[in-house]
Amino acid sequence: DTAVSQTPKYLVTQMGNDKSIKCEQNLGHDTMYWYKQDSKKFLKIMFSYNNKELIINETVPNRFSPKSPDKAHLNLHINSLELGDSAVYFCASSDSPGRNNYGYTFGSGTRLTVV
Amino acid sequence: GQQVMQIPQYQHVQEGEDFTTYCNSSTTLSNIQWYKQRPGGHPVFLIQLVKSGEVKKQKRLTFQFGEAKKNSSLHITATQTTDVGTYFCAGAFSGTYKYIFGTGTRLKVLA
Repeated sequence: DTAVSQTPKYLVTQMGNDKSIKCEQNLGHDTMYWYKQDSKKFLKIMFSYNNKELIINETVPNRFSPKSPDKAHLNLHINSLELGDSAVYFCASSDSPGRNNYGYTFGSGTRLTVV
Repeated sequence: GQQVMQIPQYQHVQEGEDFTTYCNSSTTLSNIQWYKQRPGGHPVFLIQLVKSGEVKKQKRLTFQFGEAKKNSSLHITATQTTDVGTYFCAGAFSGTYKYIFGTGTRLKVLA
């Protein structure tokens, strides 16, 4: 049983296209996250939801829109893709902020390549 | 903005040598977590440190949290090839529950 699963694993698309990445967790966690890891391996938080409520919204272009239909799912939609969006996107989940004693559980990542 | 820096950025060691990575914040952290990311993999949680001066051990790994809660270190004794990967610290700043990941240290172990 995969704890945090992301789809697709790889995504190659042309500039200007719109794409979505899906994430699901079966750990019963309250909080989910999207992180972007660039080619230098820097991990940067983008968004976080706690029980379907947006609690972290970093300085991210508004072409990126997260959606959390329930606390087990967090999707990321990206409009008008640009070359600079190429990266690995990780979904993660954890207990609620303040009770996060066991860290984040990350998905296996989605490698997005924009050509 | 809030940043967490790690040094060194890269480290190559011979198998059996020790390795240490350091994590530094300019402001006080409420707690710090450490993660390991194998090449091509995803970050995996290793440990959380909360108290000032705290030291925790996991087999050959020793984690320390500084007295001022602004720095932390991860020390690996007698590295093995399975230790290869990037080690990240992630700090939560006082008053927030947002974890900022450090810049990472990539470890290569030469057999």
